[in-house]
Amino acid sequence: DTEVTQTPKHLVMGMTNKKSLKCEQHMGHRAMYWYKQKAKKPPELMFVYSYEKLSINESVPSRFSPECPNSSLLNLHLHALQPEDSALYLCASSPAGFTDTQYFGPGTRLTVL
Amino acid sequence: QKEVEQDPGPLSVPEGAIVSLNCTYSNSAFQYFMWYRQYSRKGPELLMYTYSSGNKEDGRFTAQVDKSSKYISLFIRDSQPSDSATYLCAMKPAGNQFYFGTGTSLTVIP
Repeated sequence: DTEVTQTPKHLVMGMTNKKSLKCEQHMGHRAMYWYKQKAKKPPELMFVYSYEKLSINESVPSRFSPECPNSSLLNLHLHALQPEDSALYLCASSPAGFTDTQYFGPGTRLTVL
Repeated sequence: QKEVEQDPGPLSVPEGAIVSLNCTYSNSAFQYFMWYRQYSRKGPELLMYTYSSGNKEDGRFTAQVDKSSKYISLFIRDSQPSDSATYLCAMKPAGNQFYFGTGTSLTVIP
């Protein structure tokens, strides 16, 4: 089973709202990722957690706040977003060995009004 | 220069054709190579994962890696309309950071 689940599938929020995206995997993977993908563009790395510790933060604005409560869960907390933050937000996981590949979830389609 | 270069297409072929998708890269530290298929508004789906130079086959898909030329390819035989999607190459050195091509949009016409 190589399933990564994400909720919600769609999210519409105003610029003053606070919301959270959730990602879950039960494959025992120890690295988890958040990506942002705009239409017709490749995924753009935001954050990497390795063994529940933040290992990569690609200079993402502070209105995006990641959290890794345990090895199976990854959250992305959203606050005071801008319309240009509207995108498909993808979660991925990897066993975290140096030879391992990663598996993506279906994404959350976020629209900021 | 981008780390990974991929022709964005779009590429349009008739059903049954052989499709060739390609990526080049500049970083000789890349050791692991992947191809993902992404349908519109969906997450990328892993198709192929290779390490060494050479060919790897899985059904109608063949992944080819030439490390000396820094060039990877994905071949799709007997293409089907259901293969219509964007194909992303990705690669990585040892470590947790992945580098993506821009994706090639493929349409297979019935």
